[in-house]
Amino acid sequence: GNSVTQMEGPVTLSEEAFLTINCTYTATGYPSLFWYVQYPGEGLQLLLKATKADDKGSNKGFEATYRKETTSFHLEKGSVQVSDSAVYFCALGDGLTFGKGTHLIIQP
Amino acid sequence: DAGITQSPRHKVTETGTPVTLRCHQTENHRYMYWYRQDPGHGLRLIHYSYGVKDTDKGEVSDGYSVSRSKTEDFLLTLESATSSQTSVYFCAIRPGQDPQETQYFGPGTRLLVL
Repeated sequence: GNSVTQMEGPVTLSEEAFLTINCTYTATGYPSLFWYVQYPGEGLQLLLKATKADDKGSNKGFEATYRKETTSFHLEKGSVQVSDSAVYFCALGDGLTFGKGTHLIIQP
Repeated sequence: DAGITQSPRHKVTETGTPVTLRCHQTENHRYMYWYRQDPGHGLRLIHYSYGVKDTDKGEVSDGYSVSRSKTEDFLLTLESATSSQTSVYFCAIRPGQDPQETQYFGPGTRLLVL
């Protein structure tokens, strides 16, 4: 069946550090891939998405590229801020399959 | 803002009592979902709906039932709450017919079963 694997954390970084959160998936076919972000006390909201192989999604300085050959969709940001502290979820486009979430903590 | 509200936002109840959570949307989207979020498990699908009176089970449906008698409301019922159902519950909608479309989530309901 479909599945998503991501590092759970917590991941603690200093402000302005480079961020990578790994996400790999198994799926039948070629689903869209998503990164959602959850700020404290809130629901999930879309951060970025990619709909086909080699597509790059980007938003708020975050990027992720749909890599079919490595079945990956790693999230990156060049310089994180304290306001990026949140939980990040990688997900398939089937509405059914989410990673367990990565708790990111950015220290000033 | 996808116009999704959840009620109540917080609830404390006792083991064995029935509990109903409500998800309301204002934009007549066909697809609605109920998830629970727990530490170490991430987000898990309980039930989903693809239209009025059309529902299906998700990964963790045991102990839960749902109803959708009108487009805008999707109700989740715990017939007899147990402590293992203490969790944060999220409703989501998905616009359109494309199964690959973005989901939009409500603010969540924190449920504590004593």
